[in-house]
Amino acid sequence: AQSVTQPDIHITVSEGASLELRCNYSYGATPYLFWYVQSPGQGLQLLLKYFSGDTLVQGIKGFEAEFKRSQSSFNLRKPSVHWSDAAEYFCAVGSIKAAGNKLTFGGGTRVLVKP
Amino acid sequence: DGGITQSPKYLFRKEGQNVTLSCEQNLNHDAMYWYRQDPGQGLRLIYYSQIVNDFQKGDIAEGYSVSREKKESFPLTVTSAQKNPTAFYLCASSISGLGDNEQFFGPGTRLTVL
Repeated sequence: AQSVTQPDIHITVSEGASLELRCNYSYGATPYLFWYVQSPGQGLQLLLKYFSGDTLVQGIKGFEAEFKRSQSSFNLRKPSVHWSDAAEYFCAVGSIKAAGNKLTFGGGTRVLVKP
Repeated sequence: DGGITQSPKYLFRKEGQNVTLSCEQNLNHDAMYWYRQDPGQGLRLIYYSQIVNDFQKGDIAEGYSVSREKKESFPLTVTSAQKNPTAFYLCASSISGLGDNEQFFGPGTRLTVL
């Protein structure tokens, strides 16, 4: 069964500093990988996705993620954080073999931004 | 504007009562999903539907029921059999039930059992 681990429950970063959120997945074949962001009390918004090709993926709001098959990782990065980036971030994995486009989500990482 | 709407935003229920959460989409998507979100546990799949008049159980379907009579609608009923229903419920849709399709999410409904 596929699974996703986000090791960091909370991260605090200063505004203007860089941010990296970790995501490790477990799946036997090539996964489809997603990063979503959720503001408090809201739904999820897709930041970026990886299906195939270039392992460095660019997303919205200045985020990027790198797929590393050897490490089963898909870490999310942003070079310079803005106060509006304070939110919860979820990594998710999907599979072409999973009927119904089922996604498995990690537990999330809450990002706090200090002024 | 195209999107997913969920209503109500907040819902309060007494123990022993069934309650139905609404989810509507105007994206012309074939597939729809219901997730439950609890603090620190991410999202867990309750039910999903790949096409009208068809749906499958997800990982935590016990105590829930759904219907998919129309393409744009996928209501979720939380029954009295659900032992701990207080949670944030998210509805999502995707173009099809294939693994490479992005899921679009609604704003969510927060259910509180009193």
